[in-house]
Amino acid sequence: EIVMTQSPATLSVSPGERATLSCRASQSVSSNLAWYQQKPGQAPRLLIYGASTRATGIPARFSGSGSGTEFTLTISSLQSEDFAVYYCQQYNNWPQYTFGQGTKLEIK
Amino acid sequence: QVQLQESGPGLVKPSQTLSLTCTVSGGSISSGGYYWSWIRQHPGKGLEWIGYIYYSGSTYYNPSLKSRVTISVDTSKNQFSLKLSSVTAADTAVYYCARRYRAQYFDYWGQGTLVTVSS
Repeated sequence: EIVMTQSPATLSVSPGERATLSCRASQSVSSNLAWYQQKPGQAPRLLIYGASTRATGIPARFSGSGSGTEFTLTISSLQSEDFAVYYCQQYNNWPQYTFGQGTKLEIK
Repeated sequence: QVQLQESGPGLVKPSQTLSLTCTVSGGSISSGGYYWSWIRQHPGKGLEWIGYIYYSGSTYYNPSLKSRVTISVDTSKNQFSLKLSSVTAADTAVYYCARRYRAQYFDYWGQGTLVTVSS
């Protein structure tokens, strides 16, 4: 099983600043990685797939990068609605797919 | 716009079988290329995939749950279902149904339903 490790567990950032979240895979997943945002009491929402492609309707301030085992989600200028938990998910290892444990982005 | 909605009991007794149904609207479950999935989230924890099914009936289960899980599909009702047997308190979680795009990422999710296992 491919293990996805996200860091940090909690990230404190002020509104308007940049946030950088990391996701590491225990073995290469190529670019087969997605990012999700989850707010309290809501289902996860797809943000990024293919490591760097924004899903429909996702603002341009969200960007993804990386390939292989190292990935980054960057939020360029944090808005109040961006404070949430973020998960990465690999889908390279058919039929199993695994999520990271999440990074909580909180207001500083 | 595809929408998914979970339904089923919110309380299940230990050792019994948890049964949930996901109703899909705004698209056909028989459309090729999508895998219809169940994912759960323990309170305050991360996401755990349970399994998924293709409209043809092919299924894939998380090895850690495989002995207790059955996922089925009813294309006539545009629904798919989850059964998890011999539940314990450790199965208390929010259960989500989701559409997996071409065996890749999850592009549509249900709102989730909390299932509590308790006597």
